[in-house]
Amino acid sequence: AQKVTQAQTEISVVEKEDVTLDCVYETRDTTYYLFWYKQPPSGELVFLIRRNSFDEQNEISGRYSWNFQKSTSSFNFTITASQVVDSAVYFCALSGGNNAGNMLTFGGGTRLMVKP
Amino acid sequence: KAGVTQTPRYLIKTRGQQVTLSCSPISGHRSVSWYQQTPGQGLQFLFEYFSETQRNKGNFPGRFSGRQFSNSRSEMNVSTLELGDSALYLCASSAGLAGGLYEQYFGPGTRLTVT
Repeated sequence: AQKVTQAQTEISVVEKEDVTLDCVYETRDTTYYLFWYKQPPSGELVFLIRRNSFDEQNEISGRYSWNFQKSTSSFNFTITASQVVDSAVYFCALSGGNNAGNMLTFGGGTRLMVKP
Repeated sequence: KAGVTQTPRYLIKTRGQQVTLSCSPISGHRSVSWYQQTPGQGLQFLFEYFSETQRNKGNFPGRFSGRQFSNSRSEMNVSTLELGDSALYLCASSAGLAGGLYEQYFGPGTRLTVT
């Protein structure tokens, strides 16, 4: 069975601080994909990144960066110089190999509050 | 390109009734998945359709069902509603079915309240 754990349920920072959201996963699949989604108050899940299990390179996109470490089964997300607009709930998710279709297993989410 | 649309956006039903929710995927996308989001259980996978066939199903009772039409639009139905069915129901569309190879785009959701 697959499992995704986001131990931080809520994080509060002041604008311009850096913040890291943790994600730990469990899977027996050798091929899998990891995702991060952002859910603003409107409710829609916004896709941020997808990473496959064979690509451990870190990725940077503007103020966002992701650190994938297979050895620790972690896929952490860092926001640099946070802004009020970053306030949202962030979900880490896992998708298995081909037999799993597109089914996503989500973590419990981390609510990020960025104060001005 | 239009995104995923879901109708209705809000719905209030009474216990015991049934409800049908609709999802129109992004044009050209053939895979539609449904998720239930509640404060207690979080985001849980309901089922997935591809080319009008259910490909995967989550751990939900038979009261939850769905279907997909030839134009890829999908509906989900919940019969004999219970208070615990109150949730945000999210639909996601994807271009293909390959274990995460394709990105999934979510709609705004339908918020169902059962009284």
